[in-house]
Amino acid sequence: AQSVSQHNHHVILSEAASLELGCNYSYGGTVNLFWYVQYPGQHLQLLLKYFSGDPLVKGIKGFEAEFIKSKFSFNLRKPSVQWSDTAEYFCAVNANDYKLSFGAGTTVTVRA
Amino acid sequence: DAGITQSPRHKVTETGTPVTLRCHQTENHRYMYWYRQDPGHGLRLIHYSYGVKDTDKGEVSDGYSVSRSKTEDFLLTLESATSSQTSVYFCAIRPDDDGEQFFGPGTRLTVL
Repeated sequence: AQSVSQHNHHVILSEAASLELGCNYSYGGTVNLFWYVQYPGQHLQLLLKYFSGDPLVKGIKGFEAEFIKSKFSFNLRKPSVQWSDTAEYFCAVNANDYKLSFGAGTTVTVRA
Repeated sequence: DAGITQSPRHKVTETGTPVTLRCHQTENHRYMYWYRQDPGHGLRLIHYSYGVKDTDKGEVSDGYSVSRSKTEDFLLTLESATSSQTSVYFCAIRPDDDGEQFFGPGTRLTVL
């Protein structure tokens, strides 16, 4: 079974700092990759997704992610965070079946 | 907004009582999913459906059953609730073949 690992459980940073969240998966075949965000008290919303092509994917709100196939990684980045980026972030993998496998999530706290 | 509603949004119940959560979609998508979200575990798949009366188990299906008698409704039942089933439950739909899922607002269930 595929698994998804998110390296950081909780990240605390100040406004304008850069953010990078790690995500690794275990499946060796073709995958579709996703980053979701969950703001406090809300449901999950899609930040960005990768299916094929350019491994650098740009999403909403200034987020981007890079797919590195050789490292089975899909790390999320944002050059300059805002207080409103405080949320929980989930990496997810779809491996050509009907399901998504999620990482455990990373809580990001941005201090004003 | 992917046209997904969940009811109830909050419920407190006692151990041993049956509980049914409802997920309703307005767009007649084939695939529907039930997840539970717990701190440190991300989202874990309970059951999913790939059509009317077609369902299958996810990774944490013990103690849960589902039914789908209409395309638009996917019910999750806890036959005899236990305290370990205290969680936030999310329903999701999958519109396309790329694996992306859209999530409902969630139901917070507390089992005393």
